[in-house]
This record gives sequence, structure tokens and C-alpha cells, in this order.
Amino acid sequence: GAGVSQSPSNKVTEKGKDVELRCDPISGHTALYWYRQSLGQGLEFLIYFQGNSAPDKSGLPSDRFSAERTGGSVSTLTIQRTQQEDSAVYLCASSSNRRSSPLHFGNGTRLTVT
Amino acid sequence: RKEVEQDPGPFNVPEGATVAFNCTYSNSASQSFFWYRQDCRKEPKLLMSVYSSGNEDGRFTAQLNRASQYISLLIRDSKLSDSATYLCVVNIGTNAGKSTFGDGTTLTVKP
Repeated sequence: GAGVSQSPSNKVTEKGKDVELRCDPISGHTALYWYRQSLGQGLEFLIYFQGNSAPDKSGLPSDRFSAERTGGSVSTLTIQRTQQEDSAVYLCASSSNRRSSPLHFGNGTRLTVT
Repeated sequence: RKEVEQDPGPFNVPEGATVAFNCTYSNSASQSFFWYRQDCRKEPKLLMSVYSSGNEDGRFTAQLNRASQYISLLIRDSKLSDSATYLCVVNIGTNAGKSTFGDGTTLTVKP
């Protein structure tokens, strides 16, 4: 595919359940980001992967959140024991390793915790 | 202090007006700069990169002031379709660096 692909596009889950969100970046892009956006709010940085370097996890809000990037490509964001405040749109973006390379975003996963 | 700061607005302007947004950044090691546009309930999309000498794309002009550590976006002859949130993005470090977003400035263009 030409763009960043995220799945599912919508996810409704019960409080306390675990969820996995998937991001398939643009082929060849070494950088991958996860952001969270609540309604009417700005982007909240969660985690940043760059090539084989250790990921920057400084934005993860709690230890219930984790992310992996396998083989330098697909990434999975896992939220354990979901809470209602986790409800938001989760956006993934990727970019190449070239200076001045912009981010390309996926359509996001809208997570609703009931 | 946030690494990237924007006036959240909202900016409410009539059609045809000229409007300007500023964005300040705190890290002098910042290397690359961008403006993104985000429509309601959509993902952000690249509007334009910002080059050191300033650059223009149709009605949009972007400028960089490294000495004062800010970038600006000027929109001339505003259209109703320009209504959106405009996000300032700064990449810090070498190569692609890490992208840091401002919280955005909301623009509403009214007839």
C-alpha cells in the first residue's frame, strides 16, 4: 500500500480488557511514532521508534501501555486493563531517515472503552 | 515550558482576510520545520515544509527565524475551506530526528 495503514479503524472494548492496535508503516520508513488524541485536544506523543535504536518511550502514560516494532516494520500498541480515560484516537505515523522528511499519518484507530 | 508552543486561538476571520500564525520552539538544535493541517476528526496532513530562506505555496507563506526560534505561517485571501487546525512541527537532531508537535492553532473562516 502507498500509505500508513492502521487497524482496526474502530474498537469498542469493555473496561479492564486488553487491546492491540496495529500500524503498518510506509515501506522503507525507519521512523515510526504513536500518538494519542482525545476529542478537541492536541496530539499526545506516546512512543517513537527509529531504526534499530532503543525506542523513546517517554510519552507512555502508564505501564499499562507498551509497544513493539517487529523487524523494523509493523508496530503493535498494546493497552492492558483498559480504562475509560484511554478512549481516544490512536494515530500512527512514519517517516524516512532523511533530514527534512515529514511524517505520514495513518487514519487512526478510534478506541472507545465502555 | 513546552518544546513547541502555539497560540491555540481560535482565530475567526472573514473570507478574503490575511491571517498569520506563529510557533516558537525551545531547542536550538532543531533542524527541520513543518506546518501540518488537521481537519475535524481526521489525521494531520502535511501542509508545507519550512525552509531557512522562507517559502511560498500559493496563498501560503512559511518563514523561519532561527535567531528568535520561531516559525510562521501566513495565509492570504482566506477561503472557507482553510478552516482547520494548523499544527507546527519541529524535528530535533540529525537525520530525520524526532518530530515534536505543537498543540495547534484553530482557524475558522466565515463568509
